[in-house]
Amino acid sequence: DQQVKQNSPSLSVQEGRISILNCDYTNSMFDYFLWYKKYPAEGPTFLISISSIKDKNEDGRFTVFLNKSAKHLSLHIVPSQPGDSAVYFCAASMNYGGSQGNLIFGKGTKLSVKP
Amino acid sequence: DTGVSQDPRHKITKRGQNVTFRCDPISEHNRLYWYRQTLGQGPEFLTYFQNEAQLEKSRLLSDRFSAERPKGSFSTLEIQRTEQGDSAMYLCASKGRHGDTQYFGPGTRLTVL
Repeated sequence: DQQVKQNSPSLSVQEGRISILNCDYTNSMFDYFLWYKKYPAEGPTFLISISSIKDKNEDGRFTVFLNKSAKHLSLHIVPSQPGDSAVYFCAASMNYGGSQGNLIFGKGTKLSVKP
Repeated sequence: DTGVSQDPRHKITKRGQNVTFRCDPISEHNRLYWYRQTLGQGPEFLTYFQNEAQLEKSRLLSDRFSAERPKGSFSTLEIQRTEQGDSAMYLCASKGRHGDTQYFGPGTRLTVL
Protein backbone atom coordinates (compact mmCIF):
# COMPACT_ATOMS: atom_id res chain seq x y z
CA ASP A 1 0.00 0.00 0.00
CA GLN A 2 1.71 3.14 -1.24
CA GLN A 3 1.25 6.06 1.13
CA VAL A 4 3.00 8.55 -1.18
CA LYS A 5 2.24 8.48 -4.90
CA GLN A 6 3.79 10.22 -7.85
CA ASN A 7 1.55 9.20 -10.71
CA SER A 8 3.61 10.67 -13.54
CA PRO A 9 6.77 8.65 -14.18
CA SER A 10 8.09 11.31 -16.55
CA LEU A 11 7.58 14.92 -17.60
CA SER A 12 9.09 16.83 -20.51
CA VAL A 13 9.20 20.64 -20.50
CA GLN A 14 10.73 23.31 -22.71
CA GLU A 15 13.48 25.47 -21.24
CA GLY A 16 12.09 28.68 -19.72
CA ARG A 17 8.63 27.23 -19.13
CA ILE A 18 7.08 26.08 -15.85
CA SER A 19 7.54 22.51 -14.61
CA ILE A 20 4.82 21.18 -12.31
CA LEU A 21 5.44 17.94 -10.47
CA ASN A 22 2.61 16.38 -8.49
CA CYS A 23 2.40 14.15 -5.43
CA ASP A 24 -0.53 12.60 -3.55
CA TYR A 25 -0.52 11.03 -0.11
CA THR A 26 -2.97 8.95 1.88
CA ASN A 27 -1.88 9.28 5.51
CA SER A 28 -3.38 12.36 7.18
CA MET A 29 -0.83 12.03 10.01
CA PHE A 30 2.01 13.25 7.78
CA ASP A 31 3.13 16.66 9.03
CA TYR A 32 6.20 17.42 6.95
CA PHE A 33 6.77 17.11 3.23
CA LEU A 34 9.96 17.36 1.20
CA TRP A 35 11.14 17.34 -2.41
CA TYR A 36 14.47 15.82 -3.37
CA LYS A 37 16.29 15.86 -6.68
CA LYS A 38 18.36 12.86 -7.72
CA TYR A 39 20.91 12.25 -10.44
CA PRO A 40 21.89 8.69 -11.41
CA ALA A 41 24.42 7.07 -9.07
CA GLU A 42 24.12 9.89 -6.53
CA GLY A 43 22.18 10.37 -3.32
CA PRO A 44 19.03 12.53 -3.19
CA THR A 45 19.68 16.27 -2.84
CA PHE A 46 17.26 18.25 -0.68
CA LEU A 47 15.38 20.94 -2.60
CA ILE A 48 12.55 22.37 -0.56
CA SER A 49 10.15 21.40 2.21
CA ILE A 50 6.85 22.43 3.73
CA SER A 51 5.25 21.93 7.09
CA SER A 52 1.61 20.88 7.27
CA ILE A 53 0.75 24.18 8.95
CA LYS A 54 1.56 26.06 5.75
CA ASP A 55 0.13 25.90 2.25
CA LYS A 56 3.02 27.42 0.30
CA ASN A 57 6.79 27.69 0.57
CA GLU A 58 9.05 29.42 -1.92
CA ASP A 59 12.80 29.28 -2.47
CA GLY A 60 14.11 30.98 -5.58
CA ARG A 61 12.79 29.20 -8.67
CA PHE A 62 11.16 26.47 -6.55
CA THR A 63 7.73 26.70 -4.92
CA VAL A 64 5.90 23.92 -3.12
CA PHE A 65 2.13 24.04 -2.63
CA LEU A 66 0.27 21.89 -0.10
CA ASN A 67 -3.47 21.17 -0.26
CA LYS A 68 -4.24 19.21 2.91
CA SER A 69 -7.91 18.68 2.18
CA ALA A 70 -6.98 17.01 -1.11
CA LYS A 71 -3.87 15.36 0.36
CA HIS A 72 -1.92 16.75 -2.57
CA LEU A 73 1.28 18.69 -3.01
CA SER A 74 3.04 20.06 -6.03
CA LEU A 75 6.46 21.45 -6.91
CA HIS A 76 6.66 24.33 -9.36
CA ILE A 77 9.93 25.20 -11.07
CA VAL A 78 9.96 28.54 -12.86
CA PRO A 79 11.74 29.05 -15.18
CA SER A 80 12.88 25.52 -15.96
CA GLN A 81 16.51 25.05 -16.96
CA PRO A 82 18.26 22.10 -18.66
CA GLY A 83 20.24 21.55 -15.43
CA ASP A 84 16.94 20.76 -13.69
CA SER A 85 16.73 17.50 -15.63
CA ALA A 86 16.77 14.76 -12.99
CA VAL A 87 14.44 12.46 -11.05
CA TYR A 88 12.36 14.29 -8.45
CA PHE A 89 11.13 12.47 -5.35
CA CYS A 90 8.34 13.56 -3.08
CA ALA A 91 8.69 12.42 0.55
CA ALA A 92 6.54 12.68 3.68
CA SER A 93 7.16 12.14 7.36
CA MET A 94 5.59 12.30 10.78
CA ASN A 95 7.98 14.32 12.91
CA TYR A 96 5.77 14.58 15.97
CA GLY A 97 3.42 12.43 17.96
CA GLY A 98 6.04 9.84 18.85
CA SER A 99 7.17 9.03 15.32
CA GLN A 100 10.89 8.77 14.52
CA GLY A 101 10.51 10.89 11.40
CA ASN A 102 11.56 8.34 8.80
CA LEU A 103 10.70 9.40 5.27
CA ILE A 104 8.15 7.72 3.02
CA PHE A 105 9.03 8.31 -0.62
CA GLY A 106 7.10 8.25 -3.87
CA LYS A 107 8.53 6.43 -6.88
CA GLY A 108 9.80 9.61 -8.50
CA THR A 109 9.13 11.65 -11.63
CA LYS A 110 11.83 11.99 -14.27
CA LEU A 111 11.94 15.60 -15.49
CA SER A 112 13.52 16.42 -18.84
CA VAL A 113 14.02 20.07 -19.69
CA LYS A 114 14.72 20.55 -23.39
CA PRO A 115 16.80 23.51 -24.61
CA ASP B 1 31.59 20.34 7.08
CA THR B 2 30.93 18.93 3.64
CA GLY B 3 27.87 16.83 4.35
CA VAL B 4 27.09 13.16 4.77
CA SER B 5 29.77 10.80 3.44
CA GLN B 6 29.53 7.10 2.66
CA ASP B 7 32.17 4.49 1.97
CA PRO B 8 32.63 2.63 -0.29
CA ARG B 9 30.73 4.21 -3.19
CA HIS B 10 30.57 0.89 -5.04
CA LYS B 11 30.84 -2.69 -3.87
CA ILE B 12 30.72 -5.84 -5.97
CA THR B 13 30.58 -9.11 -4.08
CA LYS B 14 29.76 -12.74 -4.63
CA ARG B 15 26.63 -14.31 -3.21
CA GLY B 16 27.18 -15.58 0.30
CA GLN B 17 29.87 -13.05 1.23
CA ASN B 18 29.53 -10.48 4.01
CA VAL B 19 29.76 -6.76 3.29
CA THR B 20 29.98 -3.69 5.52
CA PHE B 21 29.21 -0.08 4.64
CA ARG B 22 30.11 3.05 6.57
CA CYS B 23 28.26 6.35 6.94
CA ASP B 24 29.64 9.55 8.46
CA PRO B 25 26.81 12.00 9.20
CA ILE B 26 26.98 15.77 9.27
CA SER B 27 28.83 16.87 12.40
CA GLU B 28 26.62 17.08 15.47
CA HIS B 29 23.62 15.56 13.72
CA ASN B 30 22.32 13.21 16.38
CA ARG B 31 19.84 11.35 14.17
CA LEU B 32 20.92 8.94 11.45
CA TYR B 33 18.83 6.92 8.99
CA TRP B 34 19.58 4.09 6.55
CA TYR B 35 17.51 3.59 3.39
CA ARG B 36 17.67 1.21 0.44
CA GLN B 37 16.74 2.10 -3.13
CA THR B 38 16.16 -0.35 -5.97
CA LEU B 39 15.63 0.45 -9.64
CA GLY B 40 12.43 2.34 -10.37
CA GLN B 41 11.56 2.80 -6.70
CA GLY B 42 11.96 5.54 -4.17
CA PRO B 43 14.24 5.01 -1.17
CA GLU B 44 12.78 2.70 1.50
CA PHE B 45 13.46 3.11 5.20
CA LEU B 46 15.63 0.46 6.89
CA THR B 47 16.61 1.71 10.34
CA TYR B 48 17.04 4.76 12.55
CA PHE B 49 19.51 5.84 15.25
CA GLN B 50 19.23 8.63 17.77
CA ASN B 51 22.75 9.10 19.08
CA GLU B 52 24.00 5.53 19.66
CA ALA B 53 20.57 3.98 20.22
CA GLN B 54 18.88 2.08 17.41
CA LEU B 55 15.26 3.10 17.92
CA GLU B 56 13.45 1.74 14.89
CA LYS B 57 13.90 -1.07 12.38
CA SER B 58 11.85 -1.71 9.26
CA ARG B 59 10.48 -5.16 8.47
CA LEU B 60 12.73 -4.90 5.40
CA LEU B 61 15.71 -5.34 7.72
CA SER B 62 16.04 -9.12 7.83
CA ASP B 63 18.18 -10.88 10.44
CA ARG B 64 21.06 -10.93 7.92
CA PHE B 65 21.28 -7.14 8.31
CA SER B 66 22.79 -5.41 11.32
CA ALA B 67 23.53 -1.77 11.95
CA GLU B 68 25.53 -0.04 14.62
CA ARG B 69 26.37 3.47 15.65
CA PRO B 70 29.01 3.27 18.38
CA LYS B 71 29.56 6.51 20.28
CA GLY B 72 26.77 8.17 18.29
CA SER B 73 29.01 9.31 15.46
CA PHE B 74 29.56 7.18 12.32
CA SER B 75 27.37 4.19 11.56
CA THR B 76 27.98 0.83 9.87
CA LEU B 77 25.53 -1.40 8.05
CA GLU B 78 26.55 -5.04 7.64
CA ILE B 79 24.88 -7.59 5.40
CA GLN B 80 25.76 -11.23 6.08
CA ARG B 81 25.45 -14.03 3.53
CA THR B 82 24.53 -11.63 0.74
CA GLU B 83 21.87 -12.63 -1.80
CA GLN B 84 21.28 -11.30 -5.31
CA GLY B 85 18.14 -9.57 -4.04
CA ASP B 86 20.34 -7.40 -1.80
CA SER B 87 21.67 -5.59 -4.88
CA ALA B 88 20.60 -1.96 -4.43
CA MET B 89 21.78 1.53 -3.55
CA TYR B 90 22.19 1.90 0.22
CA LEU B 91 21.65 5.47 1.37
CA CYS B 92 22.44 7.14 4.66
CA ALA B 93 20.86 10.38 5.87
CA SER B 94 21.28 12.53 8.96
CA LYS B 95 19.16 15.11 10.72
CA GLY B 96 20.04 17.70 13.33
CA ARG B 97 18.69 17.86 16.86
CA HIS B 98 16.29 20.69 16.07
CA GLY B 99 15.77 20.21 12.37
CA ASP B 100 13.12 18.47 10.31
CA THR B 101 15.11 17.88 7.12
CA GLN B 102 17.18 14.79 6.35
CA TYR B 103 20.33 15.24 4.29
CA PHE B 104 21.55 12.30 2.28
CA GLY B 105 24.97 10.94 1.44
CA PRO B 106 26.02 9.82 -2.05
CA GLY B 107 25.08 6.20 -1.38
CA THR B 108 26.83 2.84 -1.71
CA ARG B 109 25.92 0.83 -4.80
CA LEU B 110 25.97 -2.89 -3.97
CA THR B 111 26.05 -5.53 -6.69
CA VAL B 112 25.77 -9.16 -5.64
CA LEU B 113 26.86 -11.61 -8.35
